[in-house]
Amino acid sequence: QKEVEQNSGPLSVPEGAIASLNCTYSDRGSQSFFWYRQYSGKSPELIMFIYSNGDKEDGRFTAQLNKASQYVSLLIRDSQPSDSATYLCAVDAGGTSYGKLTFGQGTILTVHP
Amino acid sequence: KAGVTQTPRYLIKTRGQQVTLSCSPISGHRSVSWYQQTPGQGLQFLFEYFSETQRNKGNFPGRFSGRQFSNSRSEMNVSTLELGDSALYLCASSLPGRAFGNEQFFGPGTRLTVL
Repeated sequence: QKEVEQNSGPLSVPEGAIASLNCTYSDRGSQSFFWYRQYSGKSPELIMFIYSNGDKEDGRFTAQLNKASQYVSLLIRDSQPSDSATYLCAVDAGGTSYGKLTFGQGTILTVHP
Repeated sequence: KAGVTQTPRYLIKTRGQQVTLSCSPISGHRSVSWYQQTPGQGLQFLFEYFSETQRNKGNFPGRFSGRQFSNSRSEMNVSTLELGDSALYLCASSLPGRAFGNEQFFGPGTRLTVL
């Protein structure tokens, strides 16, 4: 079992729709969770992080965390073509795991006009 | 505030050579992490430095090494290059110290091609 798994995609949604990206993790002790966006040929860009159970909203983005189910998701409302990118889920195990984020393989999102 | 910078942006080397990559973190950030990104393996953690000390290391062979200077700038070195070392090498800086949510900000990366 991979440490961090994301829905395989690719995911295609129409402009204006809600895109839902999912991620599960295996280390129950994981403490912080991050979503990055990576455009083709570019480096990952941090969108959001979450560490408490529940929802965290930032503009059109909502991160949801359920530690009991070891599940974290990212919702993108009113999707725009500019949101087309690979979305990476990353997990920080905390403790002595200094500076280490464990990444999922990414989900490719395409928003079509 | 300037972001994370990495030099060089592109490198072409041949098998057996060695290479040194450089990373300058965001001003005030003292932790630097290095990652390797390949299409097959995705993003994998190499190591992390804080206050000139390596605090954590991923599962890479000893050919991969690094260091950090007193100004928090970091370098990584790969010796005896292999074809499989072709990848995008990313560094990320963070302001550690929080119990949760130590955000990492990535530089543009160095694209290494080994021929």
